[in-house]
Amino acid sequence: QKEVEQNSGPLSVPEGAIASLNCTYSDRGSQSFFWYRQYSGKSPELIMSIYSNGDKEDGRFTAQLNKASQYVSLLIRDSQPSDSATYLCAVKNTGTASKLTFGTGTRLQVTL
Amino acid sequence: DAGVIQSPRHEVTEMGQEVTLRCKPISGHDYLFWYRQTMMRGLELLIYFNNNVPIDDSGMPEDRFSAKMPNASFSTLKIQPSEPRDSAVYFCASSDTGAAGDEQFFGPGTRLTVL
Repeated sequence: QKEVEQNSGPLSVPEGAIASLNCTYSDRGSQSFFWYRQYSGKSPELIMSIYSNGDKEDGRFTAQLNKASQYVSLLIRDSQPSDSATYLCAVKNTGTASKLTFGTGTRLQVTL
Repeated sequence: DAGVIQSPRHEVTEMGQEVTLRCKPISGHDYLFWYRQTMMRGLELLIYFNNNVPIDDSGMPEDRFSAKMPNASFSTLKIQPSEPRDSAVYFCASSDTGAAGDEQFFGPGTRLTVL
């Protein structure tokens, strides 16, 4: 079973702080990695994709990938209450033509 | 541009009834995915299609579930007969591997309640 693991949380951070969300995966050959944000009662929304080792920045979001350690993370700078949501990590496994495996998600709470 | 469209948004039915969920993918996308989400099991892939052809249905829980994609702009997920344990949110997603790699875009979901 090719797995994606996340801490379910909740991860609580004060407004303005950096939120760090982590994800590990078991398929060493995985090449594509995604972060989705899901508000309560809503559908998952793609916020970041990353394909190469290193950092990828988009506004307040930075995705970090370390294939050797099989680890992908999402940093949210200057966290806002509107960032409070569940963040899902997704990985495309080798040989599965566009099929993604999702983690169970980390619930983030940004407090005032 | 319209995103993935799903209908109905909410469905309440009684055990034993047939349920049909519908999905219209983003125009031009060549992959379509059906997921189920529950608190206990998270987001599960049920089945996915490439160019209207089912590729992997290993996630379909049992024979009561079936899915079709008669053309590039329409897919259905049918449950017959429905059971209370089928209560969940069902999402449809699509992707265009030619343009955007493996990024999947989700529809708003159908919340199914089986009494």
